[in-house]
Amino acid sequence: AQTVTQSQPEMSVQEAETVTLSCTYDTSESDYYLFWYKQPPSRQMILVIRQEAYKQQNATENRFSVNFQKAAKSFSLKISDSQLGDAAMYFCAYRSAWGNNDMRFGAGTRLTVKP
Amino acid sequence: GAGVSQSPSNKVTEKGKDVELRCDPISGHTALYWYRQSLGQGLEFLIYFQGNSAPDKSGLPSDRFSAERTGGSVSTLTIQRTQQEDSAVYLCASSLANLGNTEAFFGQGTRLTVV
Repeated sequence: AQTVTQSQPEMSVQEAETVTLSCTYDTSESDYYLFWYKQPPSRQMILVIRQEAYKQQNATENRFSVNFQKAAKSFSLKISDSQLGDAAMYFCAYRSAWGNNDMRFGAGTRLTVKP
Repeated sequence: GAGVSQSPSNKVTEKGKDVELRCDPISGHTALYWYRQSLGQGLEFLIYFQGNSAPDKSGLPSDRFSAERTGGSVSTLTIQRTQQEDSAVYLCASSLANLGNTEAFFGQGTRLTVV
């Protein structure tokens, strides 16, 4: 099964600054999808951004962007102009494009935003 | 309803008792996932249902855990003879099937406490 690794259990950023959260994954597949989810204290998981592996262009959603390095199997999340509301657990996830396309998640990174 | 609904929100049970956790996915979503999230930890995959296909049960931690999905809609996760290590938040998610880049929508989870 594919594995997703988030090597930063905790990260901290000053309000209005930029922070990058790391994610690597292990797969032998060439076609797949990657996601970043946010989980605030309410426990509600919210999709932040997604990336199709066949696309070379990095996905961007407002202040959130990714650095997708397919050869390195790396998928980092950059949050620009950090806001207090960005404080949450962030999970990286992998889903196969074919066959059994369940979603596998990393262990998460807890992001703290300092005012 | 508009989102994924899970019940109960919280459940306290005595060690050795059986519990049933319910998930009502978004209407029309044929893919359904169960995850376990221990305190401060990542999402541990438990089981995945995809339409009428045989479910992927590879994540179930022991034979005390089982799940079913009736009529392709509501799913029930059953834990028999609960143990203290079963204490966790159990999250359910659903998504459109066969579209790998589609978002998985999560419920707010059931917090299970085994005393």
